[in-house]
Amino acid sequence: EVQLVESGGDLVQPGGSLRLSCAVSGFTFSRYWMHWVRQVPGKGLVWVSRIKNDGSSPSYADSVEGRFTISRDNAKNTLYLQMNSLKVEDTAVYYCARATYSSGWYMSDYWGQGTLVTVSS
Amino acid sequence: IQMTQSPSSLSASEGDRVTVTCRASQTISTYLNWYQQKPGKAPKVLIYGVSSLQSGVPSRFSGSGSGTDFTLTINNLQPEDFATYYCQQTYSTPFTFGPGTKVDIK
Repeated sequence: EVQLVESGGDLVQPGGSLRLSCAVSGFTFSRYWMHWVRQVPGKGLVWVSRIKNDGSSPSYADSVEGRFTISRDNAKNTLYLQMNSLKVEDTAVYYCARATYSSGWYMSDYWGQGTLVTVSS
Repeated sequence: IQMTQSPSSLSASEGDRVTVTCRASQTISTYLNWYQQKPGKAPKVLIYGVSSLQSGVPSRFSGSGSGTDFTLTINNLQPEDFATYYCQQTYSTPFTFGPGTKVDIK
């Protein structure tokens, strides 16, 4: 069974840092690109970041570029999101999602349950 | 690439046919996915590549379009279909989502 379990969400002050983790099981992690997506409770989905299966070519939303860093440890089957210089507007539930390539298209076919990050003084 | 959806919400009855529209600010070819999300749950992919149905998704869901204009259609709306629907482009990063369309019970 494919499972993605996020952790690391917490209450943090503006300007602070946090590292999210996404532990996966049930599939060969090293073969898949991975995403982070966030959602302010009651609002829409916002794509945050993507990393390729070998850890190369990280990509970020403009709103987090230069502050967030996506990484992965394929030996530990874990995806990370290092979040620095946090802002109040970074408050959201953060989801990790697996990107599957099928017939020429990518889709996020498995998602974690989300972890809540609250940035507040 | 900016994604818009219309309507932002709609009310429908069981058995209805529902159509949600998604528009991209520039051409995205067929790199368009649709997701369903229920309250308190993670999103679930319904359709990828504009019209390919994800495994296990009922055939009452269908997608169409190309370029900049896309449509999600739900035929014979079922009680479990009341949810919020999002389109997402995967043509280029950032892989933007539309703002969502909430389908609720009339």
